[in-house]
Amino acid sequence: GQQVMQIPQYQHVQEGEDFTTYCNSSTTLSNIQWYKQRPGGHPVFLIQLVKSGEVKKQKRLTFQFGEAKKNSSLHITATQTTDVGTYFCAGRAGGTSYGKLTFGQGTILTVHP
Amino acid sequence: EAEVAQSPRYKITEKSQAVAFWCDPISGHATLYWYRQILGQGPELLVQFQDESVVDDSQLPKDRFSAERLKGVDSTLKIQPAELGDSAMYLCASTQGGASYNEQFFGPGTRLTVL
Repeated sequence: GQQVMQIPQYQHVQEGEDFTTYCNSSTTLSNIQWYKQRPGGHPVFLIQLVKSGEVKKQKRLTFQFGEAKKNSSLHITATQTTDVGTYFCAGRAGGTSYGKLTFGQGTILTVHP
Repeated sequence: EAEVAQSPRYKITEKSQAVAFWCDPISGHATLYWYRQILGQGPELLVQFQDESVVDDSQLPKDRFSAERLKGVDSTLKIQPAELGDSAMYLCASTQGGASYNEQFFGPGTRLTVL
């Protein structure tokens, strides 16, 4: 079955440093979504990427979808303590309109003030 | 702002007992999902409903788990009998409309501890 891997598993940064998490799928994806889960909270949708090579920005966050639609990345510029949490990518395989999302195991980000 | 409601928030049970979780999706959301999230891992889909119909339950352990969404609105997930390995967070999510390409809105989850 489809597998989605994320690296790194953990990332500790000083406030102001940049952060990047990478997501790789074993199969070609129709689209990919990113979610953030704060400690003790539930996943919250950040963005969806659909097109090959797509790049989207949300303030300090930059999301990329690979040309082959098998990988993606999330980059945060100048981290803040409010960025703390676990970042999940979730890929959807093509083929059906009901294709399920397969979540990666997440990258836990801690930011030291 | 509309939210997905889940209850209970926490459940402690002994193994071999039955447990049930309830989810009320955002009004008008046709697609409803139940996920299991083990600590330190990403959510894993258990079952997906489109209105009252199951469209994917391939990862649902059907010998002990059951889910229903009788009127296509709220949903119940049941485990009988519970096992130690079922301890996890059970998340419900919903999406607007029939296509599953939209963002998923998650509820606060039910944290299950099986003793």
